[in-house]
Amino acid sequence: ETGVTQSPTHLIKTRGQQVTLRCSSQSGHNTVSWYQQALGQGPQFIFQYYREEENGRGNFPPRFSGLQFPNYSSELNVNALELDDSALYLCASSSPDRYYEQYFGPGTRLTVT
Amino acid sequence: KQEVTQIPAALSVPEGENLVLNCSFTDSAIYNLQWFRQDPGKGLTSLLLIQSSQREQTSGRLNASLDKSSGRSTLYIAASQPGDSATYLCAVKGGGATNKLIFGTGTLLAVQP
Repeated sequence: ETGVTQSPTHLIKTRGQQVTLRCSSQSGHNTVSWYQQALGQGPQFIFQYYREEENGRGNFPPRFSGLQFPNYSSELNVNALELDDSALYLCASSSPDRYYEQYFGPGTRLTVT
Repeated sequence: KQEVTQIPAALSVPEGENLVLNCSFTDSAIYNLQWFRQDPGKGLTSLLLIQSSQREQTSGRLNASLDKSSGRSTLYIAASQPGDSATYLCAVKGGGATNKLIFGTGTLLAVQP
């Protein structure tokens, strides 16, 4: 069983730029969720994708957007980067067959300067 | 609005001690509760998941209990080892359509050899 993978591992961007983060879900999982974790905080839910559609969103502005592909992998796009977007971005996949237990990837560390 | 609190924020114990980490949540209408482990700068590793209808789950030296009516969960770690040093996070999933997890801010555990 392949676990959740994310790329890249680290990323440095300048304020105002755009970034795309990628996630491959665990084998057999059809739902992908994205979280933002600031230093010293618990992860905050950004949004969730199921069957290639966003079906849940946290308190994040529209410049945070995403995609899910037919193979259930996903992208997180952030436009007009701000300094406060610096964080660890985590992807999680889950399946209703496993009581929605969520499995997380290693994360992408984004630094905005 | 669901809020999750973890106490203590940090804990240091000598190797071999048994210890308890606490998690409380304000809305008892949860679907499940998960305990995670996070090593510095890394992703989350799922430790235990408890369904709302369950009272406890066990895995090796770990035991998690859930008292939904009082909004509390505990994670018991037996015979602690230096390798247990990490941040432990609890998270609850509500009963809605999304898999959104609401996290506490974690307990930073240090096990001294």
